[in-house]
Amino acid sequence: AQSVTQPDIHITVSEGASLELRCNYSYGATPYLFWYVQSPGQGLQLLLKYFSGDTLVQGIKGFEAEFKRSQSSFNLRKPSVHWSDAAEYFCAVGATSNTGKLIFGQGTTLQVKP
Amino acid sequence: DAGVTQSPTHLIKTRGQQVTLRCSPKSGHDTVSWYQQALGQGPQFIFQYYEEEERQRGNFPDRFSGHQFPNYSSELNVNALLLGDSALYLCASSLGLGSTYEQYFGPGTRLTVT
Repeated sequence: AQSVTQPDIHITVSEGASLELRCNYSYGATPYLFWYVQSPGQGLQLLLKYFSGDTLVQGIKGFEAEFKRSQSSFNLRKPSVHWSDAAEYFCAVGATSNTGKLIFGQGTTLQVKP
Repeated sequence: DAGVTQSPTHLIKTRGQQVTLRCSPKSGHDTVSWYQQALGQGPQFIFQYYEEEERQRGNFPDRFSGHQFPNYSSELNVNALLLGDSALYLCASSLGLGSTYEQYFGPGTRLTVT
């Protein structure tokens, strides 16, 4: 069965420091992979996605993620975190069949220290 | 251009009651998906509607039902409410069924069952 694991429930980083949020997936074929961000009281916003091709994908707000098939991972990175990045981050996998069903991880809460 | 809108924002119901949540997709979108997000968890897929038909369903009981109207808006109905149905219900719209179509999420409806 398809699944997504985000090992870190809560992460705290200092403003200006680098960030890496981990995501591992379980899927039989090459998956479609996504990172979403959710701020309090808001819906989910797509940060970036991977379907195929270059394994390093760039997203909005300075985020990037790298697909590593051998490790079944799709980790999210940002070189310098801003206080406004504090939010909940979700990794998700989508089936490659003709369905829009997304399977989400449990999420990682990012706290940014001044 | 209005994004995905959901109503109501908050709702309090009693066990055993029925509830209807509403979603208007982003302009130009024809596909609506519903997700349930329990506190501290990632969203879980309930079902997806396209061309006024339920196209895929997640692991939710028949108490959860939905509808899509000719203008692509959608309703989620939950009967015989349980305490465990308390959650944030998210609606997402896309142009097309597959995972390659970006899903735009609404702010959600917070349902509390007492």
